[in-house]
Amino acid sequence: DGGITQSPKYLFRKEGQNVTLSCEQNLNHDAMYWYRQDPGQGLRLIYYSQIVNDFQKGDIAEGYSVSREKKESFPLTVTSAQKNPTAFYLCASSTRARGPPQHFGDGTRLSIL
Amino acid sequence: AQKVTQAQTEISVVEKEDVTLDCVYETRDTTYYLFWYKQPPSGELVFLIRRNSFDEQNEISGRYSWNFQKSTSSFNFTITASQVVDSAVYFCALSPTDSWGKLQFGAGTQVVVTP
Repeated sequence: DGGITQSPKYLFRKEGQNVTLSCEQNLNHDAMYWYRQDPGQGLRLIYYSQIVNDFQKGDIAEGYSVSREKKESFPLTVTSAQKNPTAFYLCASSTRARGPPQHFGDGTRLSIL
Repeated sequence: AQKVTQAQTEISVVEKEDVTLDCVYETRDTTYYLFWYKQPPSGELVFLIRRNSFDEQNEISGRYSWNFQKSTSSFNFTITASQVVDSAVYFCALSPTDSWGKLQFGAGTQVVVTP
């Protein structure tokens, strides 16, 4: 079945450490997105990419970085510059024709040790 | 600037009751999309509906129905004859039609359906 796979499901970060969250899709979607969700809040966009080798900052990109070397993959790195990284991270995808995201992964929950 | 307001933080109902989730939005765009997503306890978001601002027809899909009223900037969602499986957080969202990266979510409404 086609879908979005996020890994790991749970991730712990030490102070000063960079960590990378994986997002893979086999839906052949052009666009991919990373969202952050904090308790009791809606999702906020970190980065999105509409085509390979291109991506744009979202509303809260500071302290995060991404790459889009392959259509299927859109990893998110949470750098040490992100001072409050504890959150639930969701990856999403969509086709160009259908606009904003309609498929989401199961999420990665990141915590600080 | 865009804004989506879901004033109801949590709604609790007994199974088989109807439940209506309110969504009010603000936008300066003349054309836009409105969305509803469901987030069950497992965490993943499930897309429920996308509505173009040109189309004000109400829509029904099984036990789900949506009432779009452009005059009041509202896009409300009703679950008829609720079931325990409907327990989830429901998000309303808004996006311009020309910028997918500008999808703005509301804070969500937690629906709790008890047997």
